[in-house]
Amino acid sequence: EAQVTQNPRYLITVTGKKLTVTCSQNMNHEYMSWYRQDPGLGLRQIYYSMNVEVTDKGDVPEGYKVSRKEKRNFPLILESPSPNQTSLYFCASSLTTRPTKETQYFGPGTRLLVL
Amino acid sequence: QKEVEQNSGPLSVPEGAIASLNCTYSDRGSQSFFWYRQYSGKSPELIMSIYSNGDKEDGRFTAQLNKASQYVSLLIRDSQPSDSATYLCAVPMNTGFQKLVFGTGTRLLVSP
Repeated sequence: EAQVTQNPRYLITVTGKKLTVTCSQNMNHEYMSWYRQDPGLGLRQIYYSMNVEVTDKGDVPEGYKVSRKEKRNFPLILESPSPNQTSLYFCASSLTTRPTKETQYFGPGTRLLVL
Repeated sequence: QKEVEQNSGPLSVPEGAIASLNCTYSDRGSQSFFWYRQYSGKSPELIMSIYSNGDKEDGRFTAQLNKASQYVSLLIRDSQPSDSATYLCAVPMNTGFQKLVFGTGTRLLVSP
């Protein structure tokens, strides 16, 4: 089954404690991206990756890092989380950068609370 | 920074009616537009894309694009309670589609 998986799905942590949210896809997609979703602000892009070792900043990259060492994985790293990073995070992948109904998939989301 | 504006709603329609969701965008040069549906607690799902002026139909969904007025609409015919969700409009920031800017979404409620 084609899917994007994220782990963990829920996480409560404290300020400053490094954490990683994993994202993995099984469709051999080249393009992957991370979004955060906040009430009243909608979905905002954090980082994206065009392929292995190719990553770039989205709209709100501050406080986040990513890596793309393998095609299937695109982890999101918060080196020193702060309360303003409390949010719902989505990973997405697609065959190409142009999204289509048939080739774009979102992960189930990770709800993060930073105390 | 490109902007995408949507009325947050909720937009309430009775079952069987036509729901009309609107989105305006700031960049006159935008060429591509996407509509996503997001059920409460779930991830977004792409349901429609439109690239040229006019209407594009897909089942009960019709996307309408008016580049001169800088708005794109999504019509849902014969609305069903299962259509109750938040609908997000998205516009690429560049021609390569790498960066998508999303509106804040319109919540649609379809009552039986």
